Amino acid sequence: AQKVTQAQTEISVVEKEDVTLDCVYETRDTTYYLFWYKQPPSGELVFLIRRNSFDEQNEISGRYSWNFQKSTSSFNFTITASQVVDSAVYFCALSEGRRASGSRLTFGEGTQLTVNP
Amino acid sequence: GAGVSQTPSNKVTEKGKYVELRCDPISGHTALYWYRQSLGQGPEFLIYFQGTGAADDSGLPNDRFFAVRPEGSVSTLKIQRTERGDSAVYLCASSLRRGGVSEQFFGPGTRLTVL
Repeated sequence: AQKVTQAQTEISVVEKEDVTLDCVYETRDTTYYLFWYKQPPSGELVFLIRRNSFDEQNEISGRYSWNFQKSTSSFNFTITASQVVDSAVYFCALSEGRRASGSRLTFGEGTQLTVNP
Repeated sequence: GAGVSQTPSNKVTEKGKYVELRCDPISGHTALYWYRQSLGQGPEFLIYFQGTGAADDSGLPNDRFFAVRPEGSVSTLKIQRTERGDSAVYLCASSLRRGGVSEQFFGPGTRLTVL
């Protein structure tokens, strides 16, 4: 069975601080995909990134960066120089890669990030 | 707009009533998913459609829940004899299945309240 754990329920930082959101996953598959989604107060989930299990290269997109480590089953997300607009709930999710029945997502419980001015 | 749309945005009903929630996916997306999100939780998978058929309905909690996608586009999630525990935000997502795993694009959700 798949499982995603986001141990940090809430994080509060001051604007311009760097912040890292942790994600640990469990799966028996050798092929899988990891995702991060942002859910702002408006409620709509916004896709941020997808990584497959064969690509451990870290990725940077503007102020966002992701650190994927298979050895520790972690896929952490760092926001550099945080801004108030980054305040949201962030979800890490896992999908098995070869299921004939599609790519259902298993989500973690989310981390509420509050960036204070 | 070009995104996933869901109607109604809010639905309040009484215990025991029947409700229908509608999802209109992104044009051309063949895969459609329903999830349910309770307060303070991550979304939980309910059902997946590839085209018109339900390819995986293992997430439906019981037989009061049913979903259809008759023409391979719009989908309707149907809940019979609603219970207070059904109160949640019901999310729909669609993706362009290209043989690998595609990212899912979510709609704004329908907030269902069962009194």
